[in-house]
Amino acid sequence: NAGVMQNPRHLVRRRGQEARLRCSPMKGHSHVYWYRQLPEEGLKFMVYLQKENIIDESGMPKERFSAEFPKEGPSILRIQQVVRGDSAAYFCASSYLSGTIPTDEQYFGPGTRLTVT
Amino acid sequence: GQQVMQIPQYQHVQEGEDFTTYCNSSTTLSNIQWYKQRPGGHPVFLIQLVKSGEVKKQKRLTFQFGEAKKNSSLHITATQTTDVGTYFCAHGNGQNFVFGPGTRLSVLP
Repeated sequence: NAGVMQNPRHLVRRRGQEARLRCSPMKGHSHVYWYRQLPEEGLKFMVYLQKENIIDESGMPKERFSAEFPKEGPSILRIQQVVRGDSAAYFCASSYLSGTIPTDEQYFGPGTRLTVT
Repeated sequence: GQQVMQIPQYQHVQEGEDFTTYCNSSTTLSNIQWYKQRPGGHPVFLIQLVKSGEVKKQKRLTFQFGEAKKNSSLHITATQTTDVGTYFCAHGNGQNFVFGPGTRLSVLP
C-alpha cells in the first residue's frame, strides 16, 4: 500500500509565478489536510478537504491560496503570485473514515519544499 | 481556537539519559496525538490518547494523558541516537488539527 505521495519534492519559483503542489492520499483515504512548516517551526494547519468539498479552510490565507480535491486525481494546493514569504515546506496528510467520522491518525507525505527567489 | 503549548522547546541529552516533553492546553481536549519528525523528514504518527489518565507504552516510549485532559507527556527511557528529532503533540476536533510547536531532541553519543 503506497503511502501519501507528494510532488514535486522541491519547487523553485520566482516572485510572481504560480506554484502547484500535488498530493495523492493513501489508498482508501478520503480526507486530505495541508500544512505549512517554516524552518525550525511547527506545523500550521491550512485546509481540510474531502473529495470535491472543502471542509475547513480557516488556516489558509484568503488571497492567492486555493485548494481542491477533485473526484478524480490528486489534491492540489495552488499559490498564485508567490512571494518570498511563501517559502516553506508544505505537507499533505490523509486519514480514513471510521464509520462516518474521520479518524485522527494522519499519514503524512514527504512534503514539497518551496523556494521563492 | 484551542492552542497547545509544549515544553521544553529544545532538549539536549547524553545517550542513555531519559527525556520528557510536555504538552499543555488551557482547555479540555477530546484527544491528543503525538508525532515524531526526523530532521529533513515528515511527521510520523506515534500514538493517540483519548481517555482521562490514559497511559500507553511503546517500547521505551511512555505516553500519558492527564486526568483533566488538559495535558499530556511523552517520556523516553534511555535515549538512543535514533530518537533524535522533533516531537509534536496535536489535537484534532474533527474539523482541523492544531499542532504544538514541538520539542527538538538532540542526543549526544
